[in-house]
Amino acid sequence: DQQVKQNSPSLSVQEGRISILNCDYTNSMFDYFLWYKKYPAEGPTFLISISSIKDKNEDGRFTVFLNKSAKHLSLHIVPSQPGDSAVYFCAASAAHYGGSQGNLIFGKGTKLSVKP
Amino acid sequence: DVKVTQSSRYLVKRTGEKVFLECVQDMDHENMFWYRQDPGLGLRLIYFSYDVKMKEKGDIPEGYSVSREKKERFSLILESASTNQTSMYLCASRGQGFQPQHFGDGTRLSIL
Repeated sequence: DQQVKQNSPSLSVQEGRISILNCDYTNSMFDYFLWYKKYPAEGPTFLISISSIKDKNEDGRFTVFLNKSAKHLSLHIVPSQPGDSAVYFCAASAAHYGGSQGNLIFGKGTKLSVKP
Repeated sequence: DVKVTQSSRYLVKRTGEKVFLECVQDMDHENMFWYRQDPGLGLRLIYFSYDVKMKEKGDIPEGYSVSREKKERFSLILESASTNQTSMYLCASRGQGFQPQHFGDGTRLSIL
């Protein structure tokens, strides 16, 4: 039973346009959400996070939105660049509780392709 | 910046061999993790550790063991390598509370 789901295995976007990656979760105890970016043959790189007390967090071209009632978060990349082409993983945890509940649960990833 | 270093980027071993994958972090993090990544399956947690000498099984511990003798070092051991353990192995560390997890560059392990 997947607690964190990324329902789109892939997404293709034109350079300069907005990329929107989506993620759904089922566990209402999750209070910390993160996005990671992964290039082939490299480890995931932390991009941006949000805690459940907020509904938006922005860092440069990257914005994460959290809708707690819908148990949904999304990552917006504006404007998209060819270098953004990578696999993006959504992750969540019940950080407040600590222990194994603080471990990150990952989605299966969405492969973003940004075409010039 | 947090630095998580995995000892090898690429490794080729034979079936039945005992394989050691080493990971070192430089941020005094209590928590360390080993994952494997396979196409279509995302990141799957093998083992994790909250402190020196402590270890906990993750989702797929069968065929693996771990060692954490020092806080900065977390080793993954394949007791008797098999071809289905061919994969990308990722080590990560994290501080306490609302902190992101930081990953190493990964080890691409091939078992022949």
